[in-house]
Amino acid sequence: EDQVTQSPEALRLQEGESSSLNCSYTVSGLRGLFWYRQDPGKGPEFLFTLYSAGEEKEKERLKATLTKKESFLHITAPKPEDSATYLCAVQASDYKLSFGAGTTVTVRA
Amino acid sequence: EPEVTQTPSHQVTQMGQEVILRCVPISNHLYFYWYRQILGQKVEFLVSFYNNEISEKSEIFDDQFSVERPDGSNFTLKIRSTKLEDSAMYFCASRTKPSYNSPLHFGNGTRLTVT
Repeated sequence: EDQVTQSPEALRLQEGESSSLNCSYTVSGLRGLFWYRQDPGKGPEFLFTLYSAGEEKEKERLKATLTKKESFLHITAPKPEDSATYLCAVQASDYKLSFGAGTTVTVRA
Repeated sequence: EPEVTQTPSHQVTQMGQEVILRCVPISNHLYFYWYRQILGQKVEFLVSFYNNEISEKSEIFDDQFSVERPDGSNFTLKIRSTKLEDSAMYFCASRTKPSYNSPLHFGNGTRLTVT
């Protein structure tokens, strides 16, 4: 069965303090790895998709990277508005995305 | 920007009652999904739907659950006889194709409370 493990569970940062979130996965035949952001009471909001090992994507203060076994989401100089739960998901079958439990990031001003 | 819309935002029902959760996917999307998230837990896959039939479902999606696309725009999830453990956020999602370059777009969910 597909396994997606995210660490840490929670991360408290000072504004401007860069850090990284980890998503490790075991899946037979990765067809895509997705990062989402989820705010309280809302649905997941798409951030990035990665497909090949070595691939990198950037958006504002966020950068996602992919290896054969894990993905990292780097947050550079975070601001309070970056506070959210960040979800990693893998697509292994034709149709289904399997999600990790998420990392809840809190950025203090 | 087009978005997935879900109604109602909050549904309270008594155990044993039937509920129908409604979704309007993004108009040019062809693949439709339901996920749920029990409070404090991960987002779990329930079912995917394409070309008017279920393409994949999880073990959670038992005979109490059904999905339908009754017209060209709506996509519904029915729970026939709700249980306390069905209390969760239910998210509808859609995408153009089941590919790495076609992400799922989620609605903001329906919070189902079963009492």
